[in-house]
Amino acid sequence: ETGVTQTPRHLVMGMTNKKSLKCEQHLGHNAMYWYKQSAKKPLELMFVYNFKEQTENNSVPSRFSPECPNSSHLFLHLHTLQPEDSALYLCASTQLIFTGGVEEKLFFGSGTQLSVL
Amino acid sequence: EDKVVQSPLSLVVHEGDTVTLNCSYEVTNFRSLLWYKQEKKAPTFLFMLTSSGIEKKSGRLSSILDKKELFSILNITATQTGDSAIYLCAVGDAGNMLTFGGGTRLMVKP
Repeated sequence: ETGVTQTPRHLVMGMTNKKSLKCEQHLGHNAMYWYKQSAKKPLELMFVYNFKEQTENNSVPSRFSPECPNSSHLFLHLHTLQPEDSALYLCASTQLIFTGGVEEKLFFGSGTQLSVL
Repeated sequence: EDKVVQSPLSLVVHEGDTVTLNCSYEVTNFRSLLWYKQEKKAPTFLFMLTSSGIEKKSGRLSSILDKKELFSILNITATQTGDSAIYLCAVGDAGNMLTFGGGTRLMVKP
């Protein structure tokens, strides 16, 4: 157990569905991330939240909508997805030190394997 | 644009063999290089390297960074079937962002 929990583990959805992925970290970290891992492609950063504020949005289509209600929880809301969005979605967290140091060691959840039909 | 390239893409060895995985990078404002092991789903942290020439070691795994030539290697000696996984290299920049390579898929046969 890495201290980062993702649900559901698997999700199959149609292109017209609306669903949400959930991530919870029990490590007291202040930064959380969504990554997408497609077959034969590097991990792609989607969103970053530092201290609950979104600081990065890597040109992600608007059909993906993140939400970070507090520093322990992160959601990824999905609607009208495309088959090419099928992938493993990984959540990660870390502790960023505000005064300049940085902890780049990410702790990952087990991911949600998403299939869009 | 930051770039991280890992080689080989995949590797099949037998138990007891020694393997060397490679990671080369082009990153603006380099801060660190990290290695992760991804067995099933969740990548788990192995090493973080920030200085050239200093080997980090954990059991049968070791890694070293060359900041002049912009690469790192991950060595695994006396491989075991439990070492079978995808090994991910990531490079962090001054903006706290990690760029991942495509990974090396290692299979260790009994």
